[in-house]
Amino acid sequence: ETGVTQSPTHLIKTRGQQVTLRCSSQSGHNTVSWYQQALGQGPQFIFQYYREEENGRGNFPPRFSGLQFPNYSSELNVNALELDDSALYLCASSMRGQGSYEQFFGPGTRLTVL
Amino acid sequence: DQQVKQNSPSLSVQEGRISILNCDYTNSMFDYFLWYKKYPAEGPTFLISISSIKDKNEDGRFTVFLNKSAKHLSLHIVPSQPGDSAVYFCAAENQGGKLIFGQGTELSVKP
Repeated sequence: ETGVTQSPTHLIKTRGQQVTLRCSSQSGHNTVSWYQQALGQGPQFIFQYYREEENGRGNFPPRFSGLQFPNYSSELNVNALELDDSALYLCASSMRGQGSYEQFFGPGTRLTVL
Repeated sequence: DQQVKQNSPSLSVQEGRISILNCDYTNSMFDYFLWYKKYPAEGPTFLISISSIKDKNEDGRFTVFLNKSAKHLSLHIVPSQPGDSAVYFCAAENQGGKLIFGQGTELSVKP
């Protein structure tokens, strides 16, 4: 059973640039959620994708967008990067519809915005 | 609006003793609670969960207690081991699969 993978592991961008982060969900999982974890804080929910559609969104501006593909992998796109976007971005996959609430996390992508 | 709170940023325990990590929440509509453990440079790892209709769930050395009237849950680790040293996050799930995390408690288990 393959776990959740994310790429890249680290990324450095400058303010105003755009970034795309990628996530491959755990085998058999149909739902992907993205979280932002700032230093010293718990992960904050960005949004969730289920069957290629956005299924819930946290308190993040529209410049945070995403996609889910037919194989359930996902992308997180952030436009017009700001310094405060520097954080660890976590992807989590789960199997919706089976009464299980556990989400399984990838190792994260560390984004630094200069 | 911090719906899930972990008021202790850190906890230090002697190996072999009990570790108790606490978590408070404000939303009585949460229907599932989870604990995650996180090592540096890794993503959070699921540890144990509890449904809102239960008051205790046990898995080996780990037990989670839920007190709905107090809106409080706790994670007990007995006996604590040095490998348990990590940051522990409490999370609550609302309808729709969104996890709301606390700020985390860094546990240090000393030999």
